[in-house]
Amino acid sequence: GQQLNQSPQSMFIQEGEDVSMNCTSSSIFNTWLWYKQDPGEGPVLLIALYKAGELTSNGRLTAQFGITRKDSFLNISASIPSDVGIYFCAGLPSGNQFYFGTGTSLTVIP
Amino acid sequence: EPEVTQTPSHQVTQMGQEVILRCVPISNHLYFYWYRQILGQKVEFLVSFYNNEISEKSEIFDDQFSVERPDGSNFTLKIRSTKLEDSAMYFCASTASFVEKLFFGSGTQLSVL
Repeated sequence: GQQLNQSPQSMFIQEGEDVSMNCTSSSIFNTWLWYKQDPGEGPVLLIALYKAGELTSNGRLTAQFGITRKDSFLNISASIPSDVGIYFCAGLPSGNQFYFGTGTSLTVIP
Repeated sequence: EPEVTQTPSHQVTQMGQEVILRCVPISNHLYFYWYRQILGQKVEFLVSFYNNEISEKSEIFDDQFSVERPDGSNFTLKIRSTKLEDSAMYFCASTASFVEKLFFGSGTQLSVL
């Protein structure tokens, strides 16, 4: 299956700092989704991207669909303790099967 | 806000037993999915379902697995004879069209003893 490389694998940051994470693929994707997952819960959709170059914001979160269509970035500005969780990217190459990244575990230190 | 609901939230079963995991997708959605997540790992695709038939399935989705939409609202995943390695969190998801946003339920934690 498709491999989505997500980095970094984990991050420990101070409250108030900005966060950046990314996903890369060897294949072209048509849709990118970013999710946050809390322990024992299902992934919650944060941002959806549909076009190369698209930049979309959701509050303090901003995500971009890479120009090459092989990558996507998620930024969180001015992090707060409730941002703690695991962030997953998901991409749709073709067909209707979304592939998930390996996740970025975010810890925010108050 | 509409959401995907899954029952039960936890299921404990003996190896070799059959389990049925239930999901109610968002009502106007047309594409339905099952994913699983082994503890500490990424979310893995199992199967997608559209127009009352399987449209894609992964290598994980072998003959022990089946899906069904028995009525206009429910979407089920059956594991015929559970194995220890089937222990995982199983997520149902749905979307209005295959390029649209994919919404997940809160999952069923399956423990096979």
